[in-house]
Amino acid sequence: DAKTTQPNSMESNEEEPVHLPCNHSTISGTDYIHWYRQLPSQGPEYVIHGLTSNVNNRMASLAIAEDRKSSTLILHRATLRDAAVYYCILRDNNYGQNLVFGPGTRLSVLP
Amino acid sequence: NAGVMQNPRHLVRRRGQEARLRCSPMKGHSHVYWYRQLPEEGLKFMVYLQKENIIDESGMPKERFSAEFPKEGPSILRIQQVVRGDSAAYFCASSPPNSATTNEKLFFGSGTQLSVL
Repeated sequence: DAKTTQPNSMESNEEEPVHLPCNHSTISGTDYIHWYRQLPSQGPEYVIHGLTSNVNNRMASLAIAEDRKSSTLILHRATLRDAAVYYCILRDNNYGQNLVFGPGTRLSVLP
Repeated sequence: NAGVMQNPRHLVRRRGQEARLRCSPMKGHSHVYWYRQLPEEGLKFMVYLQKENIIDESGMPKERFSAEFPKEGPSILRIQQVVRGDSAAYFCASSPPNSATTNEKLFFGSGTQLSVL
């Protein structure tokens, strides 16, 4: 699996938008970009995934650069419950099934 | 719909004992994955199973660890002769069939916290 790079930590104020960046300069054409998050003392939770086009769901939006070498997870209005570790993961559609987790970004949300 | 169920939630064992961790995937899911998370570290893949088959065990330690996913019943991660270094959170995830071609998401359980005294 190709490697991703994320900031170790970020802070946000409650009810403000949050942009979590992820670099994946060695992404291949068959890699999907997945985002998961892990709240304290819980298992990871799926957030969103995409291939080339920007994606929106009830939790977040995923903006993918035109060259696919980077992406941004957007939380439109951060709440205290969004405080978690966010993982950006590349998942090859042609090979294997498992997710390879990096250290992720620890998001703190300030009231 | 019940999510991925793991039990026990907490398991305490003394060195040398056996630990058995159980995972019931979501209804209709035939793929199960096990991950381990050491304190203050990220999740590390251990093994990927489909019903009655081990597909990828590249992350499993060569000794003392084994996993199974029988035709009936939950998936079991078994650790023999536990040592203090086995203390960690063990997470199970499941996904539906054909997820290789659809890049489906994984659904994770709440984990089993194993403490070895």
